[in-house]
Amino acid sequence: GAVVSQHPSWVICKSGTSVKIECRSLDFQATTMFWYRQFPKQSLMLMATSNEGSKATYEQGVEKDKFLINHASLTLSTLTVTSAHPEDSSFYICSAHSGTLDNEQFFGPGTRLTVL
Amino acid sequence: GDSVTQMEGPVTLSEEAFLTINCTYTATGYPSLFWYVQYPGEGLQLLLKATKADDKGSNKGFEATYRKETTSFHLEKGSVQVSDSAVYFCALGGYNFNKFYFGSGTKLNVKP
Repeated sequence: GAVVSQHPSWVICKSGTSVKIECRSLDFQATTMFWYRQFPKQSLMLMATSNEGSKATYEQGVEKDKFLINHASLTLSTLTVTSAHPEDSSFYICSAHSGTLDNEQFFGPGTRLTVL
Repeated sequence: GDSVTQMEGPVTLSEEAFLTINCTYTATGYPSLFWYVQYPGEGLQLLLKATKADDKGSNKGFEATYRKETTSFHLEKGSVQVSDSAVYFCALGGYNFNKFYFGSGTKLNVKP
Protein backbone atom coordinates (compact mmCIF):
# COMPACT_ATOMS: atom_id res chain seq x y z
CA GLY A 1 0.00 0.00 0.00
CA ALA A 2 0.87 3.65 -0.23
CA VAL A 3 3.32 4.86 2.40
CA VAL A 4 3.83 8.37 3.70
CA SER A 5 6.78 9.19 5.89
CA GLN A 6 7.51 12.17 8.10
CA HIS A 7 10.79 13.44 9.41
CA PRO A 8 11.62 14.01 12.14
CA SER A 9 9.29 11.92 14.27
CA TRP A 10 9.90 14.25 17.18
CA VAL A 11 11.75 17.49 17.74
CA ILE A 12 12.47 19.72 20.70
CA CYS A 13 13.51 23.30 20.06
CA LYS A 14 13.99 26.56 21.86
CA SER A 15 11.47 29.36 21.63
CA GLY A 16 12.18 31.67 18.70
CA THR A 17 13.81 29.08 16.46
CA SER A 18 12.36 27.64 13.26
CA VAL A 19 11.64 23.98 12.68
CA LYS A 20 11.16 22.18 9.36
CA ILE A 21 9.09 19.02 9.06
CA GLU A 22 9.23 16.89 5.92
CA CYS A 23 6.47 14.78 4.50
CA ARG A 24 7.25 12.28 1.75
CA SER A 25 5.11 9.93 -0.28
CA LEU A 26 7.41 6.94 -0.72
CA ASP A 27 5.79 4.86 -3.42
CA PHE A 28 3.37 7.14 -5.21
CA GLN A 29 3.15 10.66 -6.52
CA ALA A 30 0.97 13.00 -4.55
CA THR A 31 -0.29 16.08 -6.31
CA THR A 32 -1.98 17.16 -3.11
CA MET A 33 -0.75 16.93 0.45
CA PHE A 34 -2.42 18.13 3.60
CA TRP A 35 -1.08 19.30 6.93
CA TYR A 36 -2.97 18.74 10.16
CA ARG A 37 -2.42 19.68 13.74
CA GLN A 38 -3.61 17.54 16.59
CA PHE A 39 -3.83 18.77 20.15
CA PRO A 40 -3.73 16.26 23.01
CA LYS A 41 -6.85 14.13 23.16
CA GLN A 42 -8.44 16.09 20.33
CA SER A 43 -9.21 15.58 16.71
CA LEU A 44 -7.17 16.61 13.70
CA MET A 45 -7.44 20.18 12.56
CA LEU A 46 -6.69 20.81 8.90
CA MET A 47 -4.12 23.58 8.61
CA ALA A 48 -3.50 23.78 4.89
CA THR A 49 -3.76 22.07 1.55
CA SER A 50 -0.56 21.85 -0.42
CA ASN A 51 -0.50 21.42 -4.19
CA GLU A 52 2.69 20.66 -6.03
CA GLY A 53 4.13 23.71 -7.69
CA SER A 54 1.66 26.22 -6.30
CA LYS A 55 1.03 28.13 -3.12
CA ALA A 56 -0.61 26.35 -0.25
CA THR A 57 -4.20 27.08 0.69
CA TYR A 58 -4.55 27.81 4.38
CA GLU A 59 -7.61 27.21 6.51
CA GLN A 60 -9.20 30.11 8.27
CA GLY A 61 -7.30 31.12 11.39
CA VAL A 62 -4.00 29.54 10.37
CA GLU A 63 -1.16 32.04 10.03
CA LYS A 64 0.51 31.45 6.69
CA ASP A 65 3.56 33.49 7.65
CA LYS A 66 4.08 31.34 10.71
CA PHE A 67 3.46 27.97 9.09
CA LEU A 68 5.31 28.00 5.80
CA ILE A 69 4.44 25.19 3.43
CA ASN A 70 6.42 24.21 0.37
CA HIS A 71 5.43 21.46 -2.04
CA ALA A 72 8.40 21.40 -4.36
CA SER A 73 7.91 17.97 -5.88
CA LEU A 74 5.27 15.31 -6.29
CA THR A 75 6.73 13.36 -3.38
CA LEU A 76 7.77 16.02 -0.90
CA SER A 77 6.04 18.71 1.10
CA THR A 78 7.59 20.62 3.97
CA LEU A 79 6.09 22.54 6.86
CA THR A 80 8.28 25.13 8.56
CA VAL A 81 7.15 26.49 11.89
CA THR A 82 8.83 29.88 12.06
CA SER A 83 9.79 31.59 15.31
CA ALA A 84 8.25 28.77 17.26
CA HIS A 85 6.70 29.40 20.67
CA PRO A 86 5.47 27.00 23.34
CA GLU A 87 1.89 27.32 22.11
CA ASP A 88 3.04 25.81 18.80
CA SER A 89 3.87 22.58 20.60
CA SER A 90 1.66 19.94 19.07
CA PHE A 91 1.47 16.79 16.97
CA TYR A 92 1.71 17.62 13.27
CA ILE A 93 0.44 15.10 10.77
CA CYS A 94 0.64 15.18 7.00
CA SER A 95 -1.35 13.21 4.49
CA ALA A 96 -1.12 12.65 0.78
CA HIS A 97 -3.96 12.23 -1.63
CA SER A 98 -3.74 9.02 -3.56
CA GLY A 99 -5.29 10.36 -6.72
CA THR A 100 -7.54 7.32 -6.97
CA LEU A 101 -11.26 7.50 -7.47
CA ASP A 102 -12.09 6.68 -3.86
CA ASN A 103 -10.21 9.79 -2.74
CA GLU A 104 -8.34 8.05 0.02
CA GLN A 105 -5.68 9.97 1.90
CA PHE A 106 -2.63 8.26 3.35
CA PHE A 107 -1.32 9.62 6.59
CA GLY A 108 2.18 10.04 7.86
CA PRO A 109 3.09 8.86 11.36
CA GLY A 110 3.18 12.40 12.70
CA THR A 111 5.82 14.68 14.20
CA ARG A 112 5.76 15.64 17.85
CA LEU A 113 7.00 19.23 18.25
CA THR A 114 7.89 20.53 21.69
CA VAL A 115 8.93 24.15 22.02
CA LEU A 116 10.68 25.05 25.25
CA GLY B 1 -20.92 23.38 6.02
CA ASP B 2 -19.59 19.88 5.87
CA SER B 3 -19.03 18.18 9.20
CA VAL B 4 -18.84 14.90 11.06
CA THR B 5 -20.31 14.21 14.46
CA GLN B 6 -19.09 11.30 16.53
CA MET B 7 -20.28 9.95 19.81
CA GLU B 8 -18.34 11.19 22.80
CA GLY B 9 -15.98 8.88 24.56
CA PRO B 10 -14.38 7.24 26.25
CA VAL B 11 -16.13 3.97 25.64
CA THR B 12 -15.13 1.21 28.04
CA LEU B 13 -16.02 -2.39 27.22
CA SER B 14 -15.09 -5.81 28.41
CA GLU B 15 -13.34 -8.15 26.03
CA GLU B 16 -15.72 -9.92 23.60
CA ALA B 17 -18.40 -7.25 24.04
CA PHE B 18 -20.22 -5.72 21.06
CA LEU B 19 -19.04 -2.32 19.91
CA THR B 20 -20.93 0.49 18.23
CA ILE B 21 -19.48 3.95 17.68
CA ASN B 22 -21.97 6.31 16.12
CA CYS B 23 -21.02 8.69 13.33
CA THR B 24 -23.27 11.04 11.40
CA TYR B 25 -22.31 13.51 8.74
CA THR B 26 -23.45 16.60 6.91
CA ALA B 27 -22.34 17.11 3.35
CA THR B 28 -23.56 18.94 0.31
CA GLY B 29 -21.96 16.59 -2.17
CA TYR B 30 -21.30 12.88 -2.43
CA PRO B 31 -18.35 12.19 -0.18
CA SER B 32 -16.47 9.06 0.66
CA LEU B 33 -16.61 7.99 4.29
CA PHE B 34 -13.77 6.58 6.34
CA TRP B 35 -12.92 5.21 9.73
CA TYR B 36 -9.38 5.72 10.94
CA VAL B 37 -7.75 4.29 14.05
CA GLN B 38 -4.97 5.89 16.06
CA TYR B 39 -2.98 3.86 18.55
CA PRO B 40 -1.14 5.68 21.35
CA GLY B 41 1.77 7.70 20.05
CA GLU B 42 1.14 6.78 16.44
CA GLY B 43 -0.37 8.31 13.33
CA LEU B 44 -3.67 7.46 11.73
CA GLN B 45 -4.29 4.17 10.03
CA LEU B 46 -7.16 3.56 7.68
CA LEU B 47 -9.50 1.00 9.17
CA LEU B 48 -12.19 0.88 6.50
CA LYS B 49 -13.94 3.00 3.91
CA ALA B 50 -17.05 3.28 1.78
CA THR B 51 -17.32 5.38 -1.33
CA LYS B 52 -21.04 5.41 -2.08
CA ALA B 53 -24.42 4.89 -0.49
CA ASP B 54 -25.17 1.37 0.78
CA ASP B 55 -21.53 0.34 0.53
CA LYS B 56 -20.26 -1.62 3.49
CA GLY B 57 -16.65 -1.24 4.53
CA SER B 58 -15.08 -3.98 6.59
CA ASN B 59 -11.70 -4.86 8.02
CA LYS B 60 -10.38 -6.84 11.00
CA GLY B 61 -13.89 -7.64 12.15
CA PHE B 62 -15.02 -4.01 12.03
CA GLU B 63 -17.86 -2.96 9.75
CA ALA B 64 -19.62 0.24 8.77
CA THR B 65 -22.38 0.86 6.22
CA TYR B 66 -22.77 4.12 4.31
CA ARG B 67 -26.39 5.11 4.98
CA LYS B 68 -27.41 8.09 2.89
CA GLU B 69 -30.98 8.16 4.21
CA THR B 70 -29.80 8.61 7.80
CA THR B 71 -26.47 10.28 6.89
CA SER B 72 -24.68 7.81 9.10
CA PHE B 73 -21.62 5.58 9.06
CA HIS B 74 -21.67 3.78 12.38
CA LEU B 75 -18.73 1.54 13.28
CA GLU B 76 -19.48 -1.91 14.68
CA LYS B 77 -17.58 -4.95 15.85
CA GLY B 78 -19.14 -8.08 17.21
CA SER B 79 -16.44 -9.03 19.70
CA VAL B 80 -13.78 -6.53 20.75
CA GLN B 81 -10.32 -7.43 21.96
CA VAL B 82 -7.93 -5.64 24.30
CA SER B 83 -5.78 -4.87 21.26
CA ASP B 84 -8.64 -2.80 19.81
CA SER B 85 -8.08 -0.15 22.47
CA ALA B 86 -7.36 3.04 20.52
CA VAL B 87 -8.96 6.25 19.33
CA TYR B 88 -11.30 5.92 16.38
CA PHE B 89 -11.99 8.78 13.98
CA CYS B 90 -14.82 9.01 11.51
CA ALA B 91 -13.99 11.12 8.47
CA LEU B 92 -15.72 12.48 5.42
CA GLY B 93 -13.85 13.53 2.39
CA GLY B 94 -12.82 13.50 -1.14
CA TYR B 95 -15.19 15.69 -3.08
CA ASN B 96 -14.45 19.20 -1.87
CA PHE B 97 -10.92 19.74 -3.12
CA ASN B 98 -10.19 16.43 -1.48
CA LYS B 99 -10.46 17.93 1.97
CA PHE B 100 -11.14 15.64 4.87
CA TYR B 101 -13.40 16.49 7.76
CA PHE B 102 -12.78 14.54 10.93
CA GLY B 103 -15.02 13.76 13.83
CA SER B 104 -13.79 14.48 17.32
CA GLY B 105 -12.56 10.93 17.87
CA THR B 106 -13.83 8.28 20.26
CA LYS B 107 -11.47 6.61 22.65
CA LEU B 108 -12.14 2.92 23.16
CA ASN B 109 -10.84 1.09 26.21
CA VAL B 110 -11.23 -2.67 26.22
CA LYS B 111 -10.63 -4.42 29.53
CA PRO B 112 -9.68 -8.10 29.84
